[in-house]
Amino acid sequence: AQTVTQSQPEMSVQEAETVTLSCTYDTSESDYYLFWYKQPPSRQMILVIRQEAYKQQNATENRFSVNFQKAAKSFSLKISDSQLGDAAMYFCAYRSPFNNDMRFGAGTRLTVKP
Amino acid sequence: DTAVSQTPKYLVTQMGNDKSIKCEQNLGHDTMYWYKQDSKKFLKIMFSYNNKELIINETVPNRFSPKSPDKAHLNLHINSLELGDSAVYFCASSQGYGDTEAFFGQGTRLTVV
Repeated sequence: AQTVTQSQPEMSVQEAETVTLSCTYDTSESDYYLFWYKQPPSRQMILVIRQEAYKQQNATENRFSVNFQKAAKSFSLKISDSQLGDAAMYFCAYRSPFNNDMRFGAGTRLTVKP
Repeated sequence: DTAVSQTPKYLVTQMGNDKSIKCEQNLGHDTMYWYKQDSKKFLKIMFSYNNKELIINETVPNRFSPKSPDKAHLNLHINSLELGDSAVYFCASSQGYGDTEAFFGQGTRLTVV
């Protein structure tokens, strides 16, 4: 099965600054889907952004953008103009299109300092 | 209208008991999942079903048995509960094609005492 690695257990950013969360994955598939989810203290899983491996253009959703490097199997999340409400656990996820197997990284806890 | 709903939200029970967690989705999705989130927040896939057929069955003790009576429901039954089963259990569903994401229920916090 595919594996997803988030090497930063914790990250901290000053309000209004930019932070990048790292994610790498291991797969032999050529097509797949990548996601970033946010889990605030309410424990609800909220989709932040998605990327299909065949799309070369990096996905962007308002203040959130990704740097997708397919050859390096890297999928980092950039949060611009960080807000207090961005404080949460962030999970990187990989979904296989063949059996819908969806795997998550260990998560990064993001703290936003006022 | 809740897309993926789990019941109960909290469950406290004694070791050795048998309990069930129910999950229903009203999104018309074909694929449903169960994940276990431990105290370190790690999300581990347990099972996935596609149209009532078991697709993924990770290394999970056979005390855990999923049941999918139809594609909108995926329940989780746990026999002989142990202290180590204490965790948050998430149900999720996805369309199963394209870059559609998985939608998650609110989670069930299971505490075994």
